[in-house]
Amino acid sequence: AQKVTQAQTEISVVEKEDVTLDCVYETRDTTYYLFWYKQPPSGELVFLIRRNSFDEQNEISGRYSWNFQKSTSSFNFTITASQVVDSAVYFCALSELYNQGGKLIFGQGTELSVKP
Amino acid sequence: DAGITQSPRHKVTETGTPVTLRCHQTENHRYMYWYRQDPGHGLRLIHYSYGVKDTDKGEVSDGYSVSRSKTEDFLLTLESATSSQTSVYFCAISSGTPSYEQYFGPGTRLTVT
Repeated sequence: AQKVTQAQTEISVVEKEDVTLDCVYETRDTTYYLFWYKQPPSGELVFLIRRNSFDEQNEISGRYSWNFQKSTSSFNFTITASQVVDSAVYFCALSELYNQGGKLIFGQGTELSVKP
Repeated sequence: DAGITQSPRHKVTETGTPVTLRCHQTENHRYMYWYRQDPGHGLRLIHYSYGVKDTDKGEVSDGYSVSRSKTEDFLLTLESATSSQTSVYFCAISSGTPSYEQYFGPGTRLTVT
Protein backbone atom coordinates (compact mmCIF):
# COMPACT_ATOMS: atom_id res chain seq x y z
CA ALA A 1 0.00 0.00 0.00
CA GLN A 2 1.10 3.55 -0.60
CA LYS A 3 2.19 5.52 2.40
CA VAL A 4 4.22 8.60 3.21
CA THR A 5 5.72 9.09 6.65
CA GLN A 6 7.07 12.33 8.02
CA ALA A 7 8.21 11.28 11.44
CA GLN A 8 9.11 14.77 12.61
CA THR A 9 5.92 16.45 13.72
CA GLU A 10 7.57 19.69 14.80
CA ILE A 11 11.05 21.12 14.44
CA SER A 12 12.31 24.32 15.98
CA VAL A 13 15.56 25.96 14.92
CA VAL A 14 17.25 29.30 15.29
CA GLU A 15 17.72 31.46 12.24
CA LYS A 16 20.74 30.56 10.07
CA GLU A 17 20.78 26.95 11.23
CA ASP A 18 20.52 24.22 8.62
CA VAL A 19 17.55 21.90 8.97
CA THR A 20 16.55 18.64 7.28
CA LEU A 21 12.98 17.45 6.99
CA ASP A 22 12.64 13.71 6.58
CA CYS A 23 10.27 11.90 4.26
CA VAL A 24 10.00 8.12 3.89
CA TYR A 25 7.61 6.55 1.43
CA GLU A 26 6.20 3.12 0.60
CA THR A 27 5.04 2.03 -2.81
CA ARG A 28 4.89 -1.13 -4.88
CA ASP A 29 5.16 0.73 -8.17
CA THR A 30 8.44 1.17 -9.98
CA THR A 31 7.25 4.43 -11.51
CA TYR A 32 6.18 7.10 -9.08
CA TYR A 33 6.57 10.76 -8.33
CA LEU A 34 7.47 12.59 -5.17
CA PHE A 35 6.54 16.13 -4.24
CA TRP A 36 7.15 18.68 -1.54
CA TYR A 37 4.65 21.39 -0.65
CA LYS A 38 4.94 24.30 1.75
CA GLN A 39 2.03 25.62 3.80
CA PRO A 40 2.90 28.96 5.42
CA PRO A 41 0.83 30.36 8.30
CA SER A 42 -1.45 32.05 5.77
CA GLY A 43 -2.72 28.57 4.87
CA GLU A 44 -2.18 28.18 1.15
CA LEU A 45 -0.28 25.22 -0.26
CA VAL A 46 2.72 26.06 -2.38
CA PHE A 47 4.34 23.56 -4.73
CA LEU A 48 8.10 23.29 -4.21
CA ILE A 49 9.44 20.37 -6.22
CA ARG A 50 8.59 17.20 -8.15
CA ARG A 51 10.93 14.23 -8.59
CA ASN A 52 10.31 11.07 -10.59
CA SER A 53 11.50 7.65 -9.51
CA PHE A 54 14.01 7.36 -12.34
CA ASP A 55 15.88 10.51 -11.47
CA GLU A 56 17.96 10.17 -8.32
CA GLN A 57 19.99 13.29 -8.85
CA ASN A 58 19.88 15.65 -5.94
CA GLU A 59 18.35 19.01 -6.62
CA ILE A 60 19.34 22.40 -5.32
CA SER A 61 17.32 25.58 -5.57
CA GLY A 62 18.85 28.45 -3.69
CA ARG A 63 18.85 27.55 0.01
CA TYR A 64 16.67 24.49 -0.64
CA SER A 65 18.02 21.07 -1.56
CA TRP A 66 16.48 17.66 -1.91
CA ASN A 67 18.09 14.27 -1.45
CA PHE A 68 16.26 11.38 -3.14
CA GLN A 69 17.49 7.88 -2.26
CA LYS A 70 15.56 4.92 -3.67
CA SER A 71 17.62 2.46 -1.62
CA THR A 72 16.14 3.87 1.59
CA SER A 73 12.83 5.08 0.08
CA SER A 74 13.55 8.58 1.28
CA PHE A 75 13.14 12.04 -0.18
CA ASN A 76 14.56 14.46 2.36
CA PHE A 77 14.44 18.23 2.20
CA THR A 78 17.18 20.46 3.57
CA ILE A 79 17.00 24.18 4.16
CA THR A 80 20.38 25.82 4.47
CA ALA A 81 20.79 28.95 6.57
CA SER A 82 17.15 28.96 7.61
CA GLN A 83 15.19 32.18 7.80
CA VAL A 84 12.09 33.19 9.72
CA VAL A 85 10.14 33.19 6.44
CA ASP A 86 10.79 29.45 6.18
CA SER A 87 8.46 28.88 9.12
CA ALA A 88 5.66 26.72 7.73
CA VAL A 89 4.25 23.24 7.59
CA TYR A 90 5.98 21.16 4.94
CA PHE A 91 4.30 18.21 3.28
CA CYS A 92 5.87 15.38 1.34
CA ALA A 93 3.57 13.57 -1.12
CA LEU A 94 3.60 10.56 -3.42
CA SER A 95 1.83 9.90 -6.72
CA GLU A 96 1.93 6.57 -8.50
CA LEU A 97 1.70 5.81 -12.19
CA TYR A 98 -1.41 3.66 -11.96
CA ASN A 99 -3.22 5.22 -9.06
CA GLN A 100 -6.50 7.03 -8.88
CA GLY A 101 -6.36 9.91 -11.29
CA GLY A 102 -2.98 11.01 -10.06
CA LYS A 103 -4.07 11.47 -6.47
CA LEU A 104 -1.44 12.60 -4.03
CA ILE A 105 -0.73 10.60 -0.89
CA PHE A 106 0.41 13.10 1.71
CA GLY A 107 2.51 12.66 4.79
CA GLN A 108 1.27 14.15 8.04
CA GLY A 109 3.43 17.21 7.62
CA THR A 110 6.33 18.70 9.57
CA GLU A 111 5.84 22.05 11.24
CA LEU A 112 9.05 24.06 11.06
CA SER A 113 9.50 27.02 13.34
CA VAL A 114 12.48 29.28 12.68
CA LYS A 115 13.15 31.67 15.53
CA PRO A 116 15.10 34.90 15.12
CA ASP B 1 -0.28 31.78 -9.48
CA ALA B 2 -2.73 29.24 -10.82
CA GLY B 3 -6.22 30.70 -11.14
CA ILE B 4 -8.14 28.76 -8.54
CA THR B 5 -10.78 30.20 -6.27
CA GLN B 6 -12.88 28.57 -3.62
CA SER B 7 -16.13 29.78 -2.15
CA PRO B 8 -17.07 30.32 0.53
CA ARG B 9 -13.76 30.76 2.34
CA HIS B 10 -15.32 30.27 5.73
CA LYS B 11 -18.61 28.69 6.72
CA VAL B 12 -20.28 27.68 9.93
CA THR B 13 -23.24 25.37 9.62
CA GLU B 14 -25.38 23.16 11.79
CA THR B 15 -25.38 19.39 11.94
CA GLY B 16 -27.76 17.87 9.44
CA THR B 17 -27.78 20.71 6.93
CA PRO B 18 -26.53 20.31 3.36
CA VAL B 19 -23.50 22.34 2.38
CA THR B 20 -21.98 22.99 -1.05
CA LEU B 21 -18.45 24.20 -1.60
CA ARG B 22 -17.40 25.55 -4.96
CA CYS B 23 -14.06 25.39 -6.73
CA HIS B 24 -13.54 27.52 -9.82
CA GLN B 25 -10.50 27.46 -12.11
CA THR B 26 -9.45 29.61 -15.02
CA GLU B 27 -6.62 27.33 -16.21
CA ASN B 28 -8.75 24.92 -18.30
CA HIS B 29 -7.10 21.98 -16.50
CA ARG B 30 -8.67 18.59 -16.96
CA TYR B 31 -8.17 17.21 -13.45
CA MET B 32 -9.73 18.64 -10.32
CA TYR B 33 -9.56 17.32 -6.78
CA TRP B 34 -11.12 17.86 -3.38
CA TYR B 35 -8.99 17.18 -0.30
CA ARG B 36 -9.63 17.70 3.35
CA GLN B 37 -6.92 18.67 5.82
CA ASP B 38 -7.08 17.53 9.43
CA PRO B 39 -4.41 17.64 12.14
CA GLY B 40 -2.27 14.52 12.12
CA HIS B 41 -3.60 13.35 8.75
CA GLY B 42 -2.07 15.69 6.24
CA LEU B 43 -4.39 16.02 3.27
CA ARG B 44 -6.70 13.22 2.18
CA LEU B 45 -8.50 12.89 -1.12
CA ILE B 46 -12.30 13.06 -1.03
CA HIS B 47 -13.24 12.96 -4.72
CA TYR B 48 -11.65 13.86 -7.98
CA SER B 49 -12.70 14.59 -11.54
CA TYR B 50 -10.94 13.69 -14.78
CA GLY B 51 -13.31 15.59 -17.06
CA VAL B 52 -16.76 17.10 -17.32
CA LYS B 53 -19.24 14.72 -15.70
CA ASP B 54 -16.40 12.27 -14.96
CA THR B 55 -15.76 11.83 -11.26
CA ASP B 56 -14.51 9.16 -8.91
CA LYS B 57 -14.14 8.55 -5.19
CA GLY B 58 -11.10 9.09 -3.07
CA GLU B 59 -10.20 7.54 0.25
CA VAL B 60 -12.61 9.54 2.43
CA SER B 61 -15.66 9.94 0.21
CA ASP B 62 -18.42 8.82 2.61
CA GLY B 63 -20.90 11.63 3.22
CA TYR B 64 -19.70 13.66 0.24
CA SER B 65 -20.80 13.99 -3.36
CA VAL B 66 -19.39 16.00 -6.23
CA SER B 67 -20.46 17.36 -9.57
CA ARG B 68 -18.69 18.84 -12.53
CA SER B 69 -20.93 20.22 -15.24
CA LYS B 70 -18.33 22.61 -16.67
CA THR B 71 -14.57 22.35 -17.01
CA GLU B 72 -14.03 25.28 -14.71
CA ASP B 73 -16.29 24.32 -11.79
CA PHE B 74 -16.11 21.43 -9.34
CA LEU B 75 -18.67 21.33 -6.56
CA LEU B 76 -18.38 19.41 -3.30
CA THR B 77 -21.60 18.72 -1.41
CA LEU B 78 -21.93 17.50 2.14
CA GLU B 79 -25.31 15.89 1.98
CA SER B 80 -26.02 16.12 5.71
CA ALA B 81 -23.17 17.79 7.56
CA THR B 82 -21.75 16.13 10.67
CA SER B 83 -19.26 17.41 13.23
CA SER B 84 -16.65 14.99 11.87
CA GLN B 85 -16.72 16.97 8.64
CA THR B 86 -15.38 20.05 10.37
CA SER B 87 -12.18 20.57 8.44
CA VAL B 88 -10.30 22.69 5.96
CA TYR B 89 -11.20 21.77 2.40
CA PHE B 90 -8.80 22.31 -0.46
CA CYS B 91 -9.49 22.14 -4.15
CA ALA B 92 -6.61 21.32 -6.49
CA ILE B 93 -6.14 21.26 -10.24
CA SER B 94 -3.72 19.51 -12.55
CA SER B 95 -3.16 19.53 -16.28
CA GLY B 96 -2.16 15.89 -16.31
CA THR B 97 -1.51 12.85 -14.20
CA PRO B 98 0.32 11.40 -12.37
CA SER B 99 3.54 13.29 -12.91
CA TYR B 100 2.13 16.77 -13.03
CA GLU B 101 2.08 18.87 -9.91
CA GLN B 102 -1.23 19.88 -8.44
CA TYR B 103 -1.99 23.50 -7.69
CA PHE B 104 -4.17 24.24 -4.73
CA GLY B 105 -6.87 26.76 -4.03
CA PRO B 106 -6.85 28.93 -0.89
CA GLY B 107 -9.01 26.52 1.11
CA THR B 108 -12.41 26.66 2.80
CA ARG B 109 -12.64 26.41 6.56
CA LEU B 110 -15.88 24.61 7.44
CA THR B 111 -17.19 24.30 10.97
CA VAL B 112 -20.15 22.06 11.70
CA THR B 113 -21.76 22.78 15.06
